[in-house]
Amino acid sequence: NAGVTQTPKFQVLKTGQSMTLQCAQDMNHNSMYWYRQDPGMGLRLIYYSASEGTTDKGEVPNGYNVSRLNKREFSLRLESAAPSQTSVYFCASSAPRGPNSPLHFGNGTRLTVT
Amino acid sequence: AQKITQTQPGMFVQEKEAVTLDCTYDTSDPSYGLFWYKQPSSGEMIFLIYQGSYDQQNATEGRYSLNFQKARKSANLVISASQLGDSAMYFCAMRGSNTGNQFYFGTGTSLTVIP
Repeated sequence: NAGVTQTPKFQVLKTGQSMTLQCAQDMNHNSMYWYRQDPGMGLRLIYYSASEGTTDKGEVPNGYNVSRLNKREFSLRLESAAPSQTSVYFCASSAPRGPNSPLHFGNGTRLTVT
Repeated sequence: AQKITQTQPGMFVQEKEAVTLDCTYDTSDPSYGLFWYKQPSSGEMIFLIYQGSYDQQNATEGRYSLNFQKARKSANLVISASQLGDSAMYFCAMRGSNTGNQFYFGTGTSLTVIP
């Protein structure tokens, strides 16, 4: 009963380094999301993918890129990490559009950029 | 524009008492869903309860209930008989029919249950 799996759980980067956060879901969901969580700011949407082959910007997309590799996988890439990207990152997925389908979250990645 | 507001940054409740966490929302969508999530100190996001905008009755899930007042655009979470394990951050979220792929979150309320 894996649900949404994201890796790694923790990561420390130096400014300018790149990395990719991986996410996979086994619930056959069409929609997948990347959020970042910062103290006092709730969850802010970085990018989402309504279906395989499509991606859209969310509230805070600058400095990030995404790839919807297939229906299961949605990765988030930081090309040149900055200290402002220190945050907790959550991947999530949801059933097809309809206001009654909740988000299912991965366990999060704690990223520190020094 | 869609917006979720949680005005209580922190709340305290005595063990075994009930507590209400406030959530107001703003949307122009004709139908929408409202969700509450719990985030314990371990960090994971746990889905608690859902309320549809056309649901006639308030949603309940065990000790959680949602006090939905559509005219006031509020969707308050009520936790009955609080337990120490209820200490966590609680987030209100909304998903609209016209923005079906996006969820909007409030900034959260930190609940502390006092023994």
